[in-house]
Amino acid sequence: DAKTTQPNSMESNEEEPVHLPCNHSTISGTDYIHWYRQLPSQGPEYVIHGLTSNVNNRMASLAIAEDRKSSTLILHRATLRDAAVYYCILNNAGNMLTFGGGTRLMVKP
Amino acid sequence: NAGVTQTPKFQVLKTGQSMTLQCAQDMNHNSMYWYRQDPGMGLRLIYYSASEGTTDKGEVPNGYNVSRLNKREFSLRLESAAPSQTSVYFCASSSRRSSYEQYFGPGTRLTVT
Repeated sequence: DAKTTQPNSMESNEEEPVHLPCNHSTISGTDYIHWYRQLPSQGPEYVIHGLTSNVNNRMASLAIAEDRKSSTLILHRATLRDAAVYYCILNNAGNMLTFGGGTRLMVKP
Repeated sequence: NAGVTQTPKFQVLKTGQSMTLQCAQDMNHNSMYWYRQDPGMGLRLIYYSASEGTTDKGEVPNGYNVSRLNKREFSLRLESAAPSQTSVYFCASSSRRSSYEQYFGPGTRLTVT
C-alpha cells in the first residue's frame, strides 16, 4: 500500500483556519485519499475523502494537488472540539484502511 | 440509532485466559471490522467481514479469532491472552455503497497482566 507522511503535531488558534498537510508521493491512480479524525478517548470518525478534485462537506474541505502527490485537509474555523489526531489514509480496496501515526492537532483558546 | 456498540468497555485478563469482545451495529451495514490501537499508535486491522458469512485476515490476525454471528454482530475472541495483546480494540462497520466511510464503536480497553 502507498504510504502517507504527516507532521506529528500542529497547533492552531481557535476560530482560525487550519491546514493539515499530507504527502503521498507513491499514490497510485486508483487510490482514494481519506481523512479520519480521532477525538480523545473515542473511536475514529470519518471526515472526508476524494480522488482528484477538491471536495467540501460540512466538516472540512480537501484540497488535492494536481499531481495527487499531496493533499491538505482544511478546517475553516477551528474550535476546541476539533482538537484530535487527524489521519490521512490511502485506500483503493474499500475494506482495508491503514492508519499511520496521524497529526495531533492542538487548538488554543 | 445506537450506531456501533461494544462490550465490555474495560477488561483485565491474566496471561492465558480467554475472552470474547462483542460488537453490534444497527445500521444494516454489510461490512464489519476489528482494529487494535496500541498507545500512541494508529489503528491496525485485525480481521474484517465483508458480508455475513465471510471473514478475512487483516494486518495483525495472529492470536485472534472472529465470528460473524449474523449481519448485526461480529465478535473477536482471544483464546489465550498475552501481555502483547494489551491494547484498545475498536469495532467498525460500513455499508457496501459507502465502504470508505467506516463507523467506529467506542472501544474496549483490554489489559493483560
